[in-house]
Amino acid sequence: DTAVSQTPKYLVTQMGNDKSIKCEQNLGHDTMYWYKQDSKKFLKIMFSYNNKELIINETVPNRFSPKSPDKAHLNLHINSLELGDSAVYFCASSTGNSGNTIYFGEGSWLTVV
Amino acid sequence: AQSVTQLDSQVPVFEEAPVELRCNYSSSVSVYLFWYVQYPNQGLQLLLKYLSGSTLVESINGFEAEFNKSQTSFHLRKPSVHISDTAEYFCAVRRGNNNDMRFGAGTRLTVKP
Repeated sequence: DTAVSQTPKYLVTQMGNDKSIKCEQNLGHDTMYWYKQDSKKFLKIMFSYNNKELIINETVPNRFSPKSPDKAHLNLHINSLELGDSAVYFCASSTGNSGNTIYFGEGSWLTVV
Repeated sequence: AQSVTQLDSQVPVFEEAPVELRCNYSSSVSVYLFWYVQYPNQGLQLLLKYLSGSTLVESINGFEAEFNKSQTSFHLRKPSVHISDTAEYFCAVRRGNNNDMRFGAGTRLTVKP
């Protein structure tokens, strides 16, 4: 069973559209994240939720809105997509203890055309 | 805030040669250190981590890293690499009381026959 699963894996969409990426973890973790990896492979944290509460919100356009309906899910909704949003988006999870490993999903490849 | 510097963006080596991927970090407080590996078109997988205790940590596939507090380094080494080790390697750091994990820019290891 996949520990952190995100859908869709590939998404090609036009500028101006609204899209969502879903993420679910079955590890019983209480903290979930969204990371963005650009074309140069640089990984940057976008959001972190602990027990459904937003605890990290980096400088990200407000077109990006995370939603956590419960501890096991953290979805990412993106409004008015722009060309620069093209990237790989990784969902991840961990327990609250900062010494613990963060487990990553397989990534969602978003291409805006 | 903590930051991570990976000094080499690309490291090409021949099969069975030794390799060292360098990582330096900066933080004013105690940190936990991680190495992740990303194979092509996949998510990130934990390779090894340092939390406390012995400064030399090992992975199951022959990699090792040594925490050096005085030099604020956590370099990754392998005495003999295989073609299958070709991947992107990320050094990461978390502070002792922080859920946030910060990544270096990554080092692309290419093993040639």
